Amino acid sequence: GAGVSQSPSNKVTEKGKDVELRCDPISGHTALYWYRQSLGQGLEFLIYFQGNSAPDKSGLPSDRFSAERTGGSVSTLTIQRTQQEDSAVYLCASSLGLRSQETQYFGPGTRLLVL
Amino acid sequence: AQSVTQPDIHITVSEGASLELRCNYSYGATPYLFWYVQSPGQGLQLLLKYFSGDTLVQGIKGFEAEFKRSQSSFNLRKPSVHWSDAAEYFCAVSNMEYGNKLVFGAGTILRVKS
Repeated sequence: GAGVSQSPSNKVTEKGKDVELRCDPISGHTALYWYRQSLGQGLEFLIYFQGNSAPDKSGLPSDRFSAERTGGSVSTLTIQRTQQEDSAVYLCASSLGLRSQETQYFGPGTRLLVL
Repeated sequence: AQSVTQPDIHITVSEGASLELRCNYSYGATPYLFWYVQSPGQGLQLLLKYFSGDTLVQGIKGFEAEFKRSQSSFNLRKPSVHWSDAAEYFCAVSNMEYGNKLVFGAGTILRVKS
């Protein structure tokens, strides 16, 4: 079956602009995660969604970052007023449920470059 | 808080040689442990995971890892490395107490020389 897909693959934007990154999880997966991979910070958790529960936003680095998940499926990560330090690869993952032992399946990522 | 240490940033091994990548974690109780691999331009692929039971875990592509509670370690091994194993390897930990977010180590870049 299809894996996690993300779009766009690459995004170049100017400082101060807003960007939206999209994630399509594996069908039937109720948990969805966003991570960021950057040279300075490595791989870090941003936010996760599980069903209709309130998302865990504890990893979002600032209030410029937000995410939503519509209909329990597709998710959009929005970065407002982008800064150069936002340049990174943004990875989305999904899992069947929210148990810690469940495998998180990762998408190929969106590479964001803020000029 | 949980943390994961991968002390080796780069490792170079000859094709056919054995491999061990080190991973140490910091957590009060037994965490759930994972090894992921990332090839250039690719997403993360799960190699293996440990939750409980047998401390020697078998994964895909001929990899295995051993959980040693006394050393807080979860080292990844492979008896004979292939050129296609060149990639970056990440050790990760999660636990319900901290939500199910994965906490990753900094990664180890594996180079394979022929």
